[in-house]
Amino acid sequence: GQNIDQPTEMTATEGAIVQINCTYQTSGFNGLFWYQQHAGEAPTFLSYNVLDGLEEKGRFSSFLSRSKGYSYLLLKELQMKDSASYLCAVRGIYNQGGKLIFGQGTELSVKP
Amino acid sequence: GAVVSQHPSRVICKSGTSVKIECRSLDFQATTMFWYRQFPKKSLMLMATSNEGSKATYEQGVEKDKFLINHASLTLSTLTVTSAHPEDSSFYICSARDRGQTNTEAFFGQGTRLTVV
Repeated sequence: GQNIDQPTEMTATEGAIVQINCTYQTSGFNGLFWYQQHAGEAPTFLSYNVLDGLEEKGRFSSFLSRSKGYSYLLLKELQMKDSASYLCAVRGIYNQGGKLIFGQGTELSVKP
Repeated sequence: GAVVSQHPSRVICKSGTSVKIECRSLDFQATTMFWYRQFPKKSLMLMATSNEGSKATYEQGVEKDKFLINHASLTLSTLTVTSAHPEDSSFYICSARDRGQTNTEAFFGQGTRLTVV
């Protein structure tokens, strides 16, 4: 089966750092994605990890440990506009369609 | 990144009618497109995988005859909600993967807000 877990909601302060965790158990693995989604809008791509380690992209970083089935998204220097839902998604292997399976999303609220 | 265009962005229809939603990849070819449904404050639920030139692969619990998918070309997939009912009201989102790059992110359309009255 497939199971992806993330916290339902988190709150953080403007200017701070927040880490959103994601754990997964899937039958096949071909990469883990993080997306940001504002209410009523489509998800926008943030990061992609397929090998273990940290990927950094500006204020956002994402980490992956395949042996532990674990990833996190790190947001630094939080801004009010970072208030959104953050979705962790695992891609299946390509010959199974390579489809993305999403976690339930983490609603992040950034307070002044 | 690549652009995926979804149309319409909003639609209101009467119960019993059918609604067609289009998903186009504008600057790349997509052999595979995905259709998702999202309820308020919930995550994306994969409905089906749309394969160009062949039948779609539906996820468990999704009615094939209710949600008709056609992927007639490398740049267009359509989802038709047949005999719509109020419980079909939802946010529908498509995504497409660049044919030439299998290990890149899937690009999402802007979504379609369907309201059935």
